[in-house]
Amino acid sequence: GAGVSQSPRYKVAKRGQDVALRCDPISGHVSLFWYQQALGQGPEFLTYFQNEAQLDKSGLPSDRFFAERPEGSVSTLKIQRTQQEDSAVYLCASRPGLRSSYEQYFGPGTRLTVT
Amino acid sequence: AQKVTQAQTEISVVEKEDVTLDCVYETRDTTYYLFWYKQPPSGELVFLIRRNSFDEQNEISGRYSWNFQKSTSSFNFTITASQVVDSAVYFCALSEPIQGAQKLVFGQGTRLTINP
Repeated sequence: GAGVSQSPRYKVAKRGQDVALRCDPISGHVSLFWYQQALGQGPEFLTYFQNEAQLDKSGLPSDRFFAERPEGSVSTLKIQRTQQEDSAVYLCASRPGLRSSYEQYFGPGTRLTVT
Repeated sequence: AQKVTQAQTEISVVEKEDVTLDCVYETRDTTYYLFWYKQPPSGELVFLIRRNSFDEQNEISGRYSWNFQKSTSSFNFTITASQVVDSAVYFCALSEPIQGAQKLVFGQGTRLTINP
């Protein structure tokens, strides 16, 4: 079956521009996560949705970062007024249930480069 | 706070050698889950294994095996008879129980290169 998909795969933005990154989770997956992966580092948690509810946004680095999942399926991560330090790969993951024991299924990521 | 440490940044071996990737974790919880993921050059994280804190039995899956030792807070991963296709970055991760945060906490990863 189809896995998690993300678009675009690559995005180049000039500093100060706004960007929107899309995630299509596996159909029926209740939980959705966003992670940020800097070059040579492990992924770091940004935010978590259970259906349409954003239950944890403790990892969002600033108020320039905003995520939504209005209908409990597709999610969008928006970054306003991008800065060079926002350059990273943004990974989306979905999980079939609510239990943290389940594995998360990851998409291929969106590589954001801010120039 | 939770923490995962993968002290080996890079490992390079010749094909058919055995290789062990180390993972040490910190958590105050008595119930937790440990994971290993593989990240090939394509970038997508691929799930390899999950272990809960109450199950210390070692696991073997083909050429892969995992050694979980609660006493030393370690969850090491061994590849036997390595192959070039095993070349990737490998991440160890820790998750809290459902009452806590839902996120995965990842180590920094170990880049494994298998040379022909």
